[in-house]
Amino acid sequence: GAVVSQHPSRVICKSGTSVKIECRSLDFQATTMFWYRQFPKQSLMLMATSNEGSKATYEQGVEKDKFLINHASLTLSTLTVTSAHPEDSSFYICSARGPMLTQYFGPGTRLLVL
Amino acid sequence: AQKVTQAQTEISVVEKEDVTLDCVYETRDTTYYLFWYKQPPSGELVFLIRRNSFDEQNEISGRYSWNFQKSTSSFNFTITASQVVDSAVYFCALPNTGFQKLVFGTGTRLLVSP
Repeated sequence: GAVVSQHPSRVICKSGTSVKIECRSLDFQATTMFWYRQFPKQSLMLMATSNEGSKATYEQGVEKDKFLINHASLTLSTLTVTSAHPEDSSFYICSARGPMLTQYFGPGTRLLVL
Repeated sequence: AQKVTQAQTEISVVEKEDVTLDCVYETRDTTYYLFWYKQPPSGELVFLIRRNSFDEQNEISGRYSWNFQKSTSSFNFTITASQVVDSAVYFCALPNTGFQKLVFGTGTRLLVSP
């Protein structure tokens, strides 16, 4: 149980384009999901908390207009990187809060912006 | 504010050795949870354990065991008879006050060689 999927697993795009990443909780409902970014050999950096049916809460320094988050259902949250640039290249990981406040993580998405 | 310290940046062992990963935390909350996650080279964070602050019993799951010492604010993780498949980055974490998000340590990279 407590499986979270993330799609796509890897994406390469041109600078200036937008990329959408989906995060789904497959066997439980999640009113709260989280989006993280991870640089090589570093810990996870929380970008935002995604709440079903309401606006996301962004961490300090994260551009809301750059990283659009939508949590339209209890099993799906999406992160759209708008007008992506090479510095947005990173590993993006989502998680969904399940029972007992435990976060279950997706497999991550490797984004490369050329 | 909560803080998680994983002082060991990287540990290298030979297969079948036992290894302990340290985790020291800071919190003013009287009730909290502690978590361990494993991140193998594939990138996905795998949930290993959740421990309530009021349950100080040590836990064993196969080759894995956890030693929770509230008096020293530590939640150490031991792998017995390590295997190559244990090679990964291990993160210790605890929620912030209000359980809104997880505070992660910087992780310990474990390398198990044959």
